[in-house]
Amino acid sequence: AQSVTQPDIHITVSEGASLELRCNYSYGATPYLFWYVQSPGQGLQLLLKYFSGDTLVQGIKGFEAEFKRSQSSFNLRKPSVHWSDAAEYFCAVARYGGSQGNLIFGKGTKLSVKP
Amino acid sequence: DAGVIQSPRHEVTEMGQEVTLRCKPISGHNSLFWYRQTMMRGLELLIYFNNNVPIDDSGMPEDRFSAKMPNASFSTLKIQPSEPRDSAVYFCASSLAGLGGHEQYFGPGTRLTVT
Repeated sequence: AQSVTQPDIHITVSEGASLELRCNYSYGATPYLFWYVQSPGQGLQLLLKYFSGDTLVQGIKGFEAEFKRSQSSFNLRKPSVHWSDAAEYFCAVARYGGSQGNLIFGKGTKLSVKP
Repeated sequence: DAGVIQSPRHEVTEMGQEVTLRCKPISGHNSLFWYRQTMMRGLELLIYFNNNVPIDDSGMPEDRFSAKMPNASFSTLKIQPSEPRDSAVYFCASSLAGLGGHEQYFGPGTRLTVT
């Protein structure tokens, strides 16, 4: 069965430091992958997505993610974290190759930023 | 576009009362999703519709929950009777399902408190 694993429940980084959030998926074919961010009291906002082509995708707010098929991973990165990046981050994969639009979400990683 | 619209934003009700949550998806989207988010269980998919037809309601916790989508621009999630364990944030999301368009756009959520 398809699944998404985010191994880190909570990560704390210092402002200005680099960030990498891990995501592993389980799916036999080429997946459609997404990263969402949820600020406190808000809905989820799409950061970036991967469908095909270049395995390094750029998103909003200076985030990027790299699809590595050999590792079944889609890790999210940012070279320099800002205090406003403190939020919860969710990785997701489209179910059944996206034929019905259904997404499977990971449990999320909460990011705290130290001044 | 106004995005996904949910109402009410906050609902406080007493146990045993009926609660109706409303959602207006983004115009032109053909899939609609209802999620529930709690600290304990994270983000759970309750039900989703494709072209106004319920596709998968296996996430609906029990018969007290029901959802309808009478037309492409409106959906409701009803809880009758409500219980304290239903307290959560309920999100509605919509997408244009099909090749190349799977990202879901989330509404701001309805925070439900059942006392």
